[in-house]
Amino acid sequence: NAGVTQTPKFRVLKTGQSMTLLCAQDMNHEYMYWYRQDPGMGLRLIHYSVGEGTTAKGEVPDGYNVSRLKKQNFLLGLESAAPSQTSVYFCASSYSSMGISSYEQYFGPGTRLTVT
Amino acid sequence: KNEVEQSPQNLTAQEGEFITINCSYSVGISALHWLQQHPGGGIVSLFMLSSGKKKHGRLIATINIQEKHSSLHITASHPRDSAVYICAANSGNTPLVFGKGTRLSVIA
Repeated sequence: NAGVTQTPKFRVLKTGQSMTLLCAQDMNHEYMYWYRQDPGMGLRLIHYSVGEGTTAKGEVPDGYNVSRLKKQNFLLGLESAAPSQTSVYFCASSYSSMGISSYEQYFGPGTRLTVT
Repeated sequence: KNEVEQSPQNLTAQEGEFITINCSYSVGISALHWLQQHPGGGIVSLFMLSSGKKKHGRLIATINIQEKHSSLHITASHPRDSAVYICAANSGNTPLVFGKGTRLSVIA
């Protein structure tokens, strides 16, 4: 049982390049989330998904797209990276049924992205 | 919009001390979460509570719904407790809003 895994762990991009971050969970969780963490700020929600095939915008969605084609995977895409997207990205997952955020969230190890 | 404030931002303690970290939120909530972020970056959930008090080992979390306030206590602190402690809350069927974290250093 690997929990929540993220690929890659580190990445350096040039401005304008694109990339996809992959999150996978093996706990059969319905809800999945993408957060970014920046110095001096709390975790901020980028996008989330309440089930396979559904996604929703979080607090800071601009410049990102997501897809949830399979229940166990949640992909975060940057179509044209900008230096402002330099951050540590965390994926998380949780059970549902009581409503979003009413169950503990399980976090991946994070992806450190630098955009130059 | 719910706002979550933590205090203090930084805390240094001697091994064995009793530690309290505070969290205040601005609107009524469905659940209050406490998380720990290790120096290596990994984040784990410690507690989720909507009323009263929960205890796990040397960690105790309490919440006062009327005062919109929660505390995380660590008894007999140890250097391995050094981490960033994060409070998060949600109201209704909305995603979590996170505090900025409290950085704890416990010195032997």
